[in-house]
Amino acid sequence: NAGVTQTPKFQVLKTGQSMTLQCAQDMNHNSMYWYRQDPGMGLRLIYYSASEGTTDKGEVPNGYNVSRLNKREFSLRLESAAPSQTSVYFCASSRLGGGTTSTDTQYFGPGTRLTVL
Amino acid sequence: GIQVEQSPPDLILQEGANSTLRCNFSDSVNNLQWFHQNPWGQLINLFYIPSGTKQNGRLSATTVATERYSLLYISSSQTTDSGVYFCAVHTGDYKLSFGAGTTVTVRA
Repeated sequence: NAGVTQTPKFQVLKTGQSMTLQCAQDMNHNSMYWYRQDPGMGLRLIYYSASEGTTDKGEVPNGYNVSRLNKREFSLRLESAAPSQTSVYFCASSRLGGGTTSTDTQYFGPGTRLTVL
Repeated sequence: GIQVEQSPPDLILQEGANSTLRCNFSDSVNNLQWFHQNPWGQLINLFYIPSGTKQNGRLSATTVATERYSLLYISSSQTTDSGVYFCAVHTGDYKLSFGAGTTVTVRA
C-alpha cells in the first residue's frame, strides 16, 4: 500500500514550457486535491476533485488545469509555466466525496519541487 | 475566507523539554487536522480532531471548537520532532485551510 504517489520529485522548467504533474492513490479514495506550498506559508488549494469525473477550483487555480483520469489518478497541468509557479506541489486524497458535506482525513503525497526559470 | 493563525511562529527547544503550539481559527469548522512537515518536506498526519483530546505517544492535541482553537502538546521533545507543524481546518466544502505553521527546532 503506497498511499499517495507523485511524479516527478523534482522538475526545472523554462518560462513558457508546459508539463504535467502526476498523482495516484491506492486507497480507493473518492476525493483528490492539488495544493501548492510557497516558502514560509502553509499549503493553498489549487483544484480538487470530489469524485471521478468532477473537478472544481480551489483558492489559487489560475494558470493550472486538472484531469481526474479515473478514481486513482489526478493530474495537474501547467500550460505555460511562469516563475510565479515555482513552488512545491502536493497531491492529497480523502475517503469521502460525491457531494457529502462530511469531512475526512486528507493524506498527502511526498511533493514535487518545481522551479521555473 | 476563514483565517487560521498559529503561534508561536518559531520555537527552539532543548531535547527533553515540553511545549504547546496553538491554532486559532476565525469561524466555525467541521474538523481540524494537525500535520508535521519533516525536514525532507514530507507531510505527516498527526491528528484529525474535531473536538476533545487525543493522544499519540508523546504528542497530544485538544480542540475546543466552541472557542475556536486547538492546542498541540509535545512532551519530552526529541531531535526528530524538529520541523514545521501545521494546523489545517475543514470547512465542509472539501477545502483544507492551512495556517502558516510553527517551526520547531529541537537541540540535542
